[in-house]
Amino acid sequence: ETGVTQSPTHLIKTRGQQVTLRCSSQSGHNTVSWYQQALGQGPQFIFQYYREEENGRGNFPPRFSGLQFPNYSSELNVNALELDDSALYLCASSFQGNTEAFFGQGTRLTVV
Amino acid sequence: GNSVTQMEGPVTLSEEAFLTINCTYTATGYPSLFWYVQYPGEGLQLLLKATKADDKGSNKGFEATYRKETTSFHLEKGSVQVSDSAVYFCALSDRRGYQKVTFGIGTKLQVIP
Repeated sequence: ETGVTQSPTHLIKTRGQQVTLRCSSQSGHNTVSWYQQALGQGPQFIFQYYREEENGRGNFPPRFSGLQFPNYSSELNVNALELDDSALYLCASSFQGNTEAFFGQGTRLTVV
Repeated sequence: GNSVTQMEGPVTLSEEAFLTINCTYTATGYPSLFWYVQYPGEGLQLLLKATKADDKGSNKGFEATYRKETTSFHLEKGSVQVSDSAVYFCALSDRRGYQKVTFGIGTKLQVIP
């Protein structure tokens, strides 16, 4: 059974650019969620995907968007990057209806 | 909405000391409760969980009991080791609707030899 994997592990972008982060969910899981963890803070829910559709969203602007693919992998896209977008982005997979989520190692995004 | 409050760190203990990290929650429904651990430079690992009142989650010597009457889920360990140094997050997930996880701010634990 493979765990949740994310790529890349680290990324540096310039303010105003766009970024795409990727996540492969754990085998057998059909739901993917994304979280943003700023330095010294707890993770904050961005959104969740199930059956290739967004089925829940936290308090993040529309420039944060995502996709889920038929194999349940997922992408997080952030447009018009701002300095405050610098954070660890965590992907979590689960089985719909099950409250237990399994997290990847995260992608550390730095916006300069 | 849902929220989790946990004691802010850092917490510094000597090896073999007793650990308690307090956590209380507010939830509109009947959530599942979790403790996650984050080692330096890494993602989150599920440490333990409890899904109903009076359940005790346990793993690697850590324990926490789901107390519905006090809306608490305190983490305890009888004898900490240097390798336990990490940030610990209390969290909940509502069973209704989509199952997003709501986290506390995290408590940094440093264990010194």
